[in-house]
Amino acid sequence: DVKVTQSSRYLVKRTGEKVFLECVQDMDHENMFWYRQDPGLGLRLIYFSYDVKMKEKGDIPEGYSVSREKKERFSLILESASTNQTSMYLCASSLKLRGVLGETQYFGPGTRLLVL
Amino acid sequence: GDSVTQMEGPVTLSEEAFLTINCTYTATGYPSLFWYVQYPGEGLQLLLKATKADDKGSNKGFEATYRKETTSFHLEKGSVQVSDSAVYFCALIGAGGTSYGKLTFGQGTILTVHP
Repeated sequence: DVKVTQSSRYLVKRTGEKVFLECVQDMDHENMFWYRQDPGLGLRLIYFSYDVKMKEKGDIPEGYSVSREKKERFSLILESASTNQTSMYLCASSLKLRGVLGETQYFGPGTRLLVL
Repeated sequence: GDSVTQMEGPVTLSEEAFLTINCTYTATGYPSLFWYVQYPGEGLQLLLKATKADDKGSNKGFEATYRKETTSFHLEKGSVQVSDSAVYFCALIGAGGTSYGKLTFGQGTILTVHP
């Protein structure tokens, strides 16, 4: 089975702090994604990566950056956390099947971040 | 751009009741369609998918048929169980233009099943 793990289930940070969220997948997937999930808004794509050292902006990249130095690991960085970044963050991965971005995405358990 | 609209929840049912969660979409070309489920405290799991018109996806007693003519992918189950209580997300992967390969989600529908 595909396994996607995230470094923390719950995180509390203060406004202005730099925050790192880590995601690791064990199935040699080319594509990795970061989403945030908010009530009533569903999931929104922040950034994705289709190869090591490659990254593409999603729908809401402002205030975030990412890093992919190894194929299995994709990090989301909040350079200066703000209260409106309080959310559930979900990482996902997929094979590169069709086109660049593949199909079925496999999700991690999520990190619930609270910014005070 | 592409979009997915799900019926508003929450949906509350008794055990063994019939379930329908409506999902319609707007997209160019022929997207792939998905239902994901999120159990309490967990990430999303793929429930079923369909990649072309008239395909039926099925899993764990759930079914959904890709209807191109009505741009719909409604989720159904004949007899729900308490363990089906979760949030259900309809989603699509775009097939054309700037939406190609991008996964777009509906807002999610909360299902609660009582014994």
